[in-house]
Formats: sequence, structure tokens, C-alpha cells
Amino acid sequence: AIRMTQSPSSFSASTGDRVTITCRASQGISSYLAWYQQKSGKAPKLLIYAASTLRSGVPSRFSGSGSGTDFSLTISCLQSEDFADYYCQQYYSYPLTFGGGTKVEI
Amino acid sequence: QVQLVESGGGLVKPGGSLRLSCAASGFTFSDYYMTWVRQAPGKGLEWVSSISGSGTTMYYTDSVKGRFTISRDNAKNSLYLQMSSLTAEDTAVYYCTRGGGIAFDLWGQGTVVTVSS
Repeated sequence: AIRMTQSPSSFSASTGDRVTITCRASQGISSYLAWYQQKSGKAPKLLIYAASTLRSGVPSRFSGSGSGTDFSLTISCLQSEDFADYYCQQYYSYPLTFGGGTKVEI
Repeated sequence: QVQLVESGGGLVKPGGSLRLSCAASGFTFSDYYMTWVRQAPGKGLEWVSSISGSGTTMYYTDSVKGRFTISRDNAKNSLYLQMSSLTAEDTAVYYCTRGGGIAFDLWGQGTVVTVSS
């Protein structure tokens, strides 16, 4: 199985900050990577797919980059509504796997 | 409207069985792989099982192989997860999602499964 390692697991930030979350795959997955946001008690929401394609309706302050094994999610100017958990996920091969998550908190 | 609505969760004793359902609407259900993803209390997301649009190809995470069965009824726009021999480790919120070989772009609200005596 492809292991997805996210870092950091959590961190504190302030509104207006630029934040970056990284995700490393244990083997190459091309660009078959997605990023999800999950707020407390809610279902996850897709933010980015194909490593860098912003889903329609997602604010442009979110961006993704990377290919192969190393990926990142950047929030250019953190807003109050962005405090949440973030997960990366590979859909290159089965079993599909998620990263362990990153909690972005105040 | 485009949505997924899960049902069937509840409290079940260890060793028991439960069948989850997911009703899809607003899109051509048979065009998509469908997937169950779960989240144990306070933990991250875990892929459980996926099924092709035709229902002929299924995938399972190792921990549920032989115990869980994913299926679908395209005439009813419904996805199912039959769970048996349940243990405390299966306690989680179970989400129905659209996707498999693509990113999960549509999620249900989740249904809670609690395995406890």
C-alpha cells in the first residue's frame, strides 16, 4: 500500500498567515493527489484534485503543487473559516490511502 | 439536487451485523465509482471499500476483507455496505462518497456505527 505522510500534524496560525502543508507519498503517484478540508462534525470537502487543480467554487487563496512523491497545499492568506483539518489522499492505486491529517488551529 | 444521503447506522454488539445504505440523487449514478470512507472517533479518514459503476469490480481495505461487502443497485441509485463480524475497531462515522479512481468530489453527511456491548 502507498503510505501518505503529512506534516505537520498540527500547528497554530493567525488570520492573514501564509501556511503550507506537505504530503509525501511512499512511492510515485504522478499527480493523482487530492486535498480535502474537514471542519468539526462535518463531512470532508474536496479542495484540490490532480495535485494542483482547484475545484470550482474553492477560494483562490488555496493552491496545490507537486508531482511524483512530494506535494504541498498552501493557503496564501488564512481566513477564520480556514481553521480546520486537512487531508491529502492518493487515488493512483488501490488501496486508496489518506494522509494522517493536519489540524490548523488558532 | 446532487447529494448523497446515508442511513442504517446504529449501535450493534460485537460480532453483530449492520447494513448501511446510501441514496444518490442529482447525477447519473451508474457513471461513477462509489466508495465508503470511515472515520473513527478523533481519528483520520480511512478508505474502506470502492465499487465500479457497473458493480462488477470491488476493492476492500485489508481489515474488512471477508467481513464487509459493498454493492450497488443502479436502478435504485443506491449504494450499500453489508458489515458483519463487527468489532470495536469498526466504530466510526461511515461516509458514502462519489469517486474511486478519481478524487472524492461528493460526500454524504455520514452515518454513525457504534460497536459496543
